[in-house]
Amino acid sequence: GNSVTQMEGPVTLSEEAFLTINCTYTATGYPSLFWYVQYPGEGLQLLLKATKADDKGSNKGFEATYRKETTSFHLEKGSVQVSDSAVYFCALSPYTGGFKTIFGAGTRLFVKA
Amino acid sequence: EAGVAQSPRYKIIEKRQSVAFWCNPISGHATLYWYQQILGQGPKLLIQFQNNGVVDDSQLPKDRFSAERLKGVDSTLKIQPAKLEDSAVYLCASSPRTRRTSTNEKLFFGSGTQLSVL
Repeated sequence: GNSVTQMEGPVTLSEEAFLTINCTYTATGYPSLFWYVQYPGEGLQLLLKATKADDKGSNKGFEATYRKETTSFHLEKGSVQVSDSAVYFCALSPYTGGFKTIFGAGTRLFVKA
Repeated sequence: EAGVAQSPRYKIIEKRQSVAFWCNPISGHATLYWYQQILGQGPKLLIQFQNNGVVDDSQLPKDRFSAERLKGVDSTLKIQPAKLEDSAVYLCASSPRTRRTSTNEKLFFGSGTQLSVL
């Protein structure tokens, strides 16, 4: 079946530190991959996406590369800010099966000033 | 552009009571989703509508949960009777779905309804 596995949180970093949140997936075919972010008190919103192997999604300084050989889509940012504190969800949309989007459990990030 | 609207924001009920949640998607969005997010877990799809038809309700506990989307716009999700394990945030999302076979659609989420069943 289709599933997403994320590293457990919380992740606590100091401002300007390097961030990596690991995400691996299981899917048939070639799914589209996403990172969503949920800031405190707000709904989930799309951070970035990649639709095929070797694609790199990027937004707001965050990047993730679609790695088919390792079935991974790790989220990275070179220098985090306090305002990046949020919960990050890795997700996939299978190639078949309509428009279902399957989410990982989420990783909470705390950034200290 | 107005976002996805949900109400109420919070709801506290006792087990065996009934509860209903309301969602108004972004204007023109054909696809509407209800997700259940239990504390510490990722959102789990309960039901997906395309206009006013159900596309996927395979994970909806149909003995107690029901949902409808009248006229292909607003939607309501109902739980009757509620159980303790239904305590969660119920998220509504919508998407424009411009192509039938597109898998890279972006979902637009509401802020959710936090349900506590005592």
